[in-house]
Amino acid sequence: NAGVTQTPKFQVLKTGQSMTLQCAQDMNHNSMYWYRQDPGMGLRLIYYSASEGTTDKGEVPNGYNVSRLNKREFSLRLESAAPSQTSVYFCASSEAHGAGREQFFGPGTRLTVL
Amino acid sequence: AQSVTQLDSQVPVFEEAPVELRCNYSSSVSVYLFWYVQYPNQGLQLLLKYLSGSTLVESINGFEAEFNKSQTSFHLRKPSVHISDTAEYFCAVSDTGGFKTIFGAGTRLFVKA
Repeated sequence: NAGVTQTPKFQVLKTGQSMTLQCAQDMNHNSMYWYRQDPGMGLRLIYYSASEGTTDKGEVPNGYNVSRLNKREFSLRLESAAPSQTSVYFCASSEAHGAGREQFFGPGTRLTVL
Repeated sequence: AQSVTQLDSQVPVFEEAPVELRCNYSSSVSVYLFWYVQYPNQGLQLLLKYLSGSTLVESINGFEAEFNKSQTSFHLRKPSVHISDTAEYFCAVSDTGGFKTIFGAGTRLFVKA
């Protein structure tokens, strides 16, 4: 089992460019999440999908969109990248959405916006 | 609203010394508590969690944490650290009736030879 995989691992964008970060999990989990990690701020939730067919905003959704393509895949799109979106992005999944559930994380995508 | 405070951003320690990474939370309701570890260039992985029962929980690699409700703390300890414990450690909290998990800012543990 690969667990949670993310592509790409690294990306450099210019301001205004768009891109999609891909995430897939092979654990048959129902819930998936996108976080960003910034120094001194821990992880902040961008969007989540409690189950296939649903998506909801997290703490910092502005400037992002998501698609739950199927049970395995959850993508994050930046329509017009800004320097403030320079960060490390993590995708995670859990068996179900709820308190007490362990989340399994991918290796991250390091994004730089110039 | 819930919040998590990790009191130290960096903790340098010599190999085989004990270490404590501090975590305090605020919540008006019952909580579940977690410690996640992030090794360099990797994603986070669960180290241990408190859901209910014994307030002392342990991980397979020698870490332990104690839930202290009166002090709203969940400090992580290890009696003797190894070089391989060098990583960033995140405390997290979620309320038992809700869906949101809040992560602390992280503590970078650096073990020196």
